Amino acid sequence: DVKVTQSSRYLVKRTGEKVFLECVQDMDHENMFWYRQDPGLGLRLIYFSYDVKMKEKGDIPEGYSVSREKKERFSLILESASTNQTSMYLCASEGGWNNSPLHFGNGTRLTVT
Amino acid sequence: QQQVKQSPQSLIVQKGGISIINCAYENTAFDYFPWYQQFPGKGPALLIAIRPDVSEKKEGRFTISFNKSAKQFSLHIMDSQPGDSATYFCAASLNSGYSTLTFGKGTMLLVSP
Repeated sequence: DVKVTQSSRYLVKRTGEKVFLECVQDMDHENMFWYRQDPGLGLRLIYFSYDVKMKEKGDIPEGYSVSREKKERFSLILESASTNQTSMYLCASEGGWNNSPLHFGNGTRLTVT
Repeated sequence: QQQVKQSPQSLIVQKGGISIINCAYENTAFDYFPWYQQFPGKGPALLIAIRPDVSEKKEGRFTISFNKSAKQFSLHIMDSQPGDSATYFCAASLNSGYSTLTFGKGTMLLVSP
């Protein structure tokens, strides 16, 4: 069974801090994604990656960057956290073939104060 | 911007009733339509999906109905159970290349005992 593990369940950071959200998948999946989930706004794609060291912007990349140094690991970076980045962050992976399902982690609830 | 519009935002159904969630899309090139189910504290998980070459797909109590001419698709949950209480997301994507899912904003379903 595919497992996508996000390193923190809850995180509290101060405005201006640099924040790292880590995600690891154990199924050798090609593609990995970062979403944020906000009430009434659904799931919005921040960044995704189709290969090691590759990254593509999603719908809301502003204020975020990503890193994929190894196939199994995809990190989301908030260079200077702001209060409007308080949200639930979901990592996902998928195998790379047409219509392969997304496998999500259980999320990191980030609060920026 | 490609959009998938989902309604209602929330839904309360009595145990044993039928839950219906509707989605409409704009991009006629979309050709893959999954539904994801998310329980509290968990990431979304694929529930059921349909391609536009069929008008209906059924898996147990869950059915997707698809109307290509109207650019609409819906999820029907028959004999709804309290264990079905969750947030449901419809989504759409292209069935080729590096296409990411476009999600609806979600429907919070509560099935009352």
